[in-house]
Amino acid sequence: EAGVTQSPTHLIKTRGQQATLRCSPISGHTSVYWYQQALGLGLQFLLWYDEGEERNRGNFPPRFSGRQFPNYSSELNVNALELEDSALYLCASSPLGSTDTQYFGPGTRLTVL
Amino acid sequence: AQSVTQLGSHVSVSEGALVLLRCNYSSSVPPYLFWYVQYPNQGLQLLLKYTSAATLVKGINDFEAEFKKSETSFHLTKPSAHMSDAAEYFCAVSDEGGATNKLIFGTGTLLAVQP
Repeated sequence: EAGVTQSPTHLIKTRGQQATLRCSPISGHTSVYWYQQALGLGLQFLLWYDEGEERNRGNFPPRFSGRQFPNYSSELNVNALELEDSALYLCASSPLGSTDTQYFGPGTRLTVL
Repeated sequence: AQSVTQLGSHVSVSEGALVLLRCNYSSSVPPYLFWYVQYPNQGLQLLLKYTSAATLVKGINDFEAEFKKSETSFHLTKPSAHMSDAAEYFCAVSDEGGATNKLIFGTGTLLAVQP
């Protein structure tokens, strides 16, 4: 069974640009989560999507947004990039109705110059 | 609100020695607790989870953890360390017992295994 996949692996942008990160969940999983792992800040919850709807949001500004498609894949968009947005962005998925285990992808390393 | 504290940002053991990584949690509801491992430049891999069943939880690669409510702890152990265990380990709690589906992570413990 294929795991969670993310693309691209690495992304380099300059300050003020927009970044789009993509995630495909495990087959059969309907929930997708996004986390940010920034140096010195640890792993922080960003967003949770389920059945195409945003269900929960972490303490991040509105320029962090996303969406979930009918096939349950997801995009994370970061507008007006700032230097401190440089981080590893991890996507996770879980089955319908599950309140426990989240399975993580390999991440996208975003570097903002 | 839920939180986790991992004691020791760096732990070093000899190959073959016992591994003990500490995690204490704070939760206003019965917690769901997890241990994840992260190898360099990779995502997180689930080692084990506690979801209110048996208090001693066995995971992959001979890791196990014991849920102790009286001590609010969920320490991770492995009887004999291998070189391949060198990685960063994260303890996590599911916010509000799983109601919001948000995982709250500790700051991580970097495990080094000496030959």
